[in-house]
Amino acid sequence: GAGVSQSPSNKVTEKGKDVELRCDPISGHTALYWYRQSLGQGLEFLIYFQGNSAPDKSGLPSDRFSAERTGGSVSTLTIQRTQQEDSAVYLCASSSTGVLNQPQHFGDGTRLSIL
Amino acid sequence: EDQVTQSPEALRLQEGESSSLNCSYTVSGLRGLFWYRQDPGKGPEFLFTLYSAGEEKEKERLKATLTKKESFLHITAPKPEDSATYLCAVQVRNTGKLIFGQGTTLQVKP
Repeated sequence: GAGVSQSPSNKVTEKGKDVELRCDPISGHTALYWYRQSLGQGLEFLIYFQGNSAPDKSGLPSDRFSAERTGGSVSTLTIQRTQQEDSAVYLCASSSTGVLNQPQHFGDGTRLSIL
Repeated sequence: EDQVTQSPEALRLQEGESSSLNCSYTVSGLRGLFWYRQDPGKGPEFLFTLYSAGEEKEKERLKATLTKKESFLHITAPKPEDSATYLCAVQVRNTGKLIFGQGTTLQVKP
């Protein structure tokens, strides 16, 4: 596909369960980002992968959140022991080779609802 | 602390009524300023990147400008299909992350 693909588009789960969110970046893009968008909070940076470098995890809100990127392509964001405050839209973005200040292109997100 | 503030929060215009959206920023070292458009239920769609004060970019009815402290998104003769939330974000030197403003929700009435 031409754009960033995220799955599932919607996820409803019970408090305390673990969830995994998937992101397929644009082919050839080496940088991948995760953001969270909550009502009234705006877009909040979570984590950033660039090539083979160590990820920038500075935005992860707690140790219940983790992410990995396999083979420099697909990424999975995992939230363990979900809480109601984790309810939000989780957005993934990718940008082209290596150079900062290149535009980030976003997927349509996963809407996560914690009951 | 790096910060981005957008105003107004909401803007209602009649079709054809031109206006401007503001994005003020305070950052330690600007690497780029980005404008995005977001429709309900969709991810942000990239519009423009501005890198240095004095730079301008145009696309159809939209024009973005940049000074050392703020950016404007000018909308000329808007149409109802321009209705969306417009987001401003900055990329700070030596990091990949974007810091977003809260957005301006624009409604254009026919």
